[in-house]
Amino acid sequence: DTEVTQTPKHLVMGMTNKKSLKCEQHMGHRAMYWYKQKAKKPPELMFVYSYEKLSINESVPSRFSPECPNSSLLNLHLHALQPEDSALYLCASSQPPDRRDEQFFGPGTRLTVL
Amino acid sequence: SQELEQSPQSLIVQEGKNLTINCTSSKTLYGLYWYKQKYGEGLIFLMMLQKGGEEKSHEKITAKLDEKKQQSSLHITASQPSHAGIYLCGADGSGTASKLTFGTGTRLQVTL
Repeated sequence: DTEVTQTPKHLVMGMTNKKSLKCEQHMGHRAMYWYKQKAKKPPELMFVYSYEKLSINESVPSRFSPECPNSSLLNLHLHALQPEDSALYLCASSQPPDRRDEQFFGPGTRLTVL
Repeated sequence: SQELEQSPQSLIVQEGKNLTINCTSSKTLYGLYWYKQKYGEGLIFLMMLQKGGEEKSHEKITAKLDEKKQQSSLHITASQPSHAGIYLCGADGSGTASKLTFGTGTRLQVTL
């Protein structure tokens, strides 16, 4: 199994809602990532988990809360988002970062905040 | 912070023609990755280059990293409609493989 899956595919939420994005991989990768991609822009790194521990937080607002329950799963909890948070959220996984291998990306969740 | 500039921003080529996309870094590249993205979808890994002067090929796509490790090119031979999409270069120039920064992207259209 060489794929990263993300659910849901699309999500529409209000500014007062709480929702979660899910990401799963079964490649035995020990590094997982969240990226945010605005329209016509490249993906921007948000968080990196290495061996289930948060290793990088790129100064992301606290309304985004990542969680890595185990080595196969990565969640992104959303609360009190703003309309400018609407974007494509991409999850990726790779071998541990010190091995410099490619990152495998999921298809993304398209988030719309009303 | 590292910046990656891609050129051209967009490209329309006729099927069967060759094309080249460039990626220039503001800092030395420790690892350079090429990805392809269809609109609104995930990224598909194409190739990774690490050593100055390295060149890799897969099917009709060839990528090179120059000797000084600050520029890479992606060359497509005999383009096909299936090559259409957005090409992104990515780099971990900080020396930490996990901090991947992406270039500005090149949008490729292939006409029949």
